[in-house]
Formats: sequence, structure tokens, C-alpha cells
Amino acid sequence: QQQVKQSPQSLIVQKGGISIINCAYENTAFDYFPWYQQFPGKGPALLIAIRPDVSEKKEGRFTISFNKSAKQFSLHIMDSQPGDSATYFCAATTRAPWEYGNKLVFGAGTILRVKS
Amino acid sequence: DSGVTQTPKHLITATGQRVTLRCSPRSGDLSVYWYQQSLDQGLQFLIQYYNGEERAKGNILERFSAQQFPDLHSELNLSSLELGDSALYFCASSVAPTSGYAQFFGPGTRLTVL
Repeated sequence: QQQVKQSPQSLIVQKGGISIINCAYENTAFDYFPWYQQFPGKGPALLIAIRPDVSEKKEGRFTISFNKSAKQFSLHIMDSQPGDSATYFCAATTRAPWEYGNKLVFGAGTILRVKS
Repeated sequence: DSGVTQTPKHLITATGQRVTLRCSPRSGDLSVYWYQQSLDQGLQFLIQYYNGEERAKGNILERFSAQQFPDLHSELNLSSLELGDSALYFCASSVAPTSGYAQFFGPGTRLTVL
């Protein structure tokens, strides 16, 4: 129940195309869903995050879509660029009760390659 | 640059040895988290500290321990090292629980056990 399932494992997209990565969760106590971008040899960098009271959040070319009833959320990268080639991780956590902390549970990751 | 610093960047050691990984959180962040990243297990939560006290524990081995000091930096101690402990170890920090729950990751320490 603590798992976050992420798909696809890898993705190849043409420059200018839309990259879509999907995640699903079981634990209804999760209430914060961030996406991280990781380049080789670097730490994960926070891209964008959403809370379940919102169905969509957009920041620049990155959009999170959230479906609470289906317990799914996805990352859309519009106008994908070669510089977006990286590994993307979805994650989830609970913000309450604070006594138990707020560890992130990560998906397995998606390796995105944007072809120029 | 997330503002989280980790040292050393690389560590190569032998089985049975003990190592210490160090992390300095972003200025003002009271929560520090440790994660392990390996090819077969992905990113796994190890332990969280908040203002010097342990807050949450993940699947952290008994051979591993951590602490957060009064200046809020944290250390992860790995002892009796095994080949399978080779991985990337990341520290993250956040302002939780005061406001927001975003966690910001450091550049990591790559541990190689030979």
C-alpha cells in the first residue's frame, strides 16, 4: 500500500513533442505529490508538486494532472527539448500526522530521451 | 543548486569498514532526510530527523545509524560494510512541518564497497 507505481520505464520523444509519465498509488493518506528530475551524477531536483485538492498544476512547460478518484497522477512535458533528457521520478507523502514524519515514497523512475 | 551540501562526493572502501557521510541542510530547514539510491531498489527512504530528534525510520539496516547535531547538520554512519551497500546516498532537507513539504536534495555521496 506504500508503493507508487510509475510508467513507462523509458520513453523516447521527438523534440517539440509531449512527454507523458504516469503514476498510480494505493494509499489514500498520501496528500502531497512531487515530481523530481535527475540528471546522471546529480541529486534529484524538485520540478513541480501538487496537492489532492487541485486537479491540475502548471509551471512553464511542466504540468501535473491529478485524478483523486482513480488515485493517479501524471506529468506532461510540453514542447520537449533535448535538455529535458533525464530520469523523472514521481513521489508521494503524507503530511499528517507529523509525529510519523513525512518520508517520500518514490516511483521506480522513467528515463526520458528527447531526440533532436 | 539546492542549497543542501554533502561530503564526500565519492567514497571507496572495503568490506567490513565503517564510513561517515555528512550533510548540511539548507539554511533554515529543520528536517533532514537520508535516502539510498541503487539500481535494484530505486530511491528508498532511510531515516528522518527533525531539529535533532529522529522523526521517522524506513528500512534502515541496523548497521546504519544517523544523527542530527545542534547546528542541524547530519551524519549517516555505515558500518560493517557489505558489497550490497554500494549505492548513492542522498540527503534532503525541508522546512516541514512549519510550512510546505517540499524536500530538496543534495548532490549525493557515491559509496563503492570493494
